[in-house]
Amino acid sequence: QVLLQQWGAGLLKPSETLSLTCAVYGGSFSGYSWTWIRQPPGKGLEWIGEINHSGTTNYNPSLKSRVTLLVDTSKNQFSLKLTSVTGADTAVYFCARWPRADPWGQGTLVTVSS
Amino acid sequence: QVVVTQEPSLTVSPGGTVTLTCGSSTGAVTSGHYPYWFQQKPGQAPRTLIYDTSNKHSWTPARFSGSLLGGKAALTLSSAQPEDEAEYYCLLSYSGGHVFGTGTKVSVL
Repeated sequence: QVLLQQWGAGLLKPSETLSLTCAVYGGSFSGYSWTWIRQPPGKGLEWIGEINHSGTTNYNPSLKSRVTLLVDTSKNQFSLKLTSVTGADTAVYFCARWPRADPWGQGTLVTVSS
Repeated sequence: QVVVTQEPSLTVSPGGTVTLTCGSSTGAVTSGHYPYWFQQKPGQAPRTLIYDTSNKHSWTPARFSGSLLGGKAALTLSSAQPEDEAEYYCLLSYSGGHVFGTGTKVSVL
């Protein structure tokens, strides 16, 4: 059974860089797209972007200028970096495997506050 | 920017049937949008119910089904149970990315 475990800093100040990592346990890393999704408190889901094992990426156009997705195949990990964060970036961030959107990581609450 | 639209809220009686829809600002939704449906209960991570229009995961209750209906993606819940009360999100795929729908709050009353 494949498991995604994610981690990263939960409290940031405005203008800092958000950094999250998601590790893949118990399954193949290649042949899938690895996705980041976020959900602001009380709001809906937002697709951030995806990366495959080769490093090919797709980004949400609204975030593209600030987002970088990276993959480390030696560790079966992928990561999200979001620069110049503001309060609008406060959200629970999820990683997930595509296609079939399974499994999901447990979610990480990231709060941006001065 | 593409907008994916869902009904804000729907109510269904226990044992009843309700259909949620997912529309695209670009036009008719087709199988080429690979529609997904997710269920989210308060305080929990989303759970994927349907992928690629109508495919179910092993944990997806049989009372949920996905389809294309009138130019939209649709999720039908038959024989609704109290535990089906939740927020439901669809997701559509476009060239270069994916877009979530606005979400539908389903109440079972």
